[in-house]
Amino acid sequence: GENVEQHPSTLSVQEGDSAVIKCTYSDSASNYFPWYKQELGKGPQLIIDIRSNVGEKKDQRIAVTLNKTAKHFSLHITETQPEDSAVYFCAASIRRRGGGADGLTFGKGTHLIIQP
Amino acid sequence: DARVTQTPRDKVTEMGQEVTMRCQPILGHNTVFWYRQTMMQGLELLAYFRNRAPLDDSGMPKDRFSAEMPDATLATLKIQPSEPRDSAVYFCASGTDRDRGTDTQYFGPGTRLTVL
Repeated sequence: GENVEQHPSTLSVQEGDSAVIKCTYSDSASNYFPWYKQELGKGPQLIIDIRSNVGEKKDQRIAVTLNKTAKHFSLHITETQPEDSAVYFCAASIRRRGGGADGLTFGKGTHLIIQP
Repeated sequence: DARVTQTPRDKVTEMGQEVTMRCQPILGHNTVFWYRQTMMQGLELLAYFRNRAPLDDSGMPKDRFSAEMPDATLATLKIQPSEPRDSAVYFCASGTDRDRGTDTQYFGPGTRLTVL
């Protein structure tokens, strides 16, 4: 089955600086890679996702890059703000033809701390 | 706005008791996922359904766990008998395969289960 590794487990950055979280996956059949943000006491919330036919995707201060050959993908957050403090999870899945993804395999999470 | 709802939010029970967790997916979604989150194992897929049919329950301990979808608006996860190692937060997520442009899984707030 799929195995997703995520690094680092904790990341502390100064407000306004950039944060980068990296993940690797093992199953070359995986083609859907979402990133989730989880705040204390809440369920994970999707912040951005990327499919394997795309190398990079950006949404305001958040970007994700994917290297299919190396089987790794990364989350980049620029101009970090205090509200970015949370646990971030990467995940991988297989998106079937005709729509609909299988269940997600998650990384272990990164606790992002934004220092004022 | 449309949300996944889960009940109960918190459950404390004694070892050996039956536990039932309920999930109401977002109206119109035809895929329901059950995940479990613990400090040690992180987020793990237990089972998922599409159009009320189970597609994968390989992550679920078969001897004590069961998942069902009595109708399109209700998914249940039962543990009988419960054990202390089942203590975790159980998340339900829903999605749809009817929109070819999205594979987003929307997570509920979770049920925090404590088995004494």
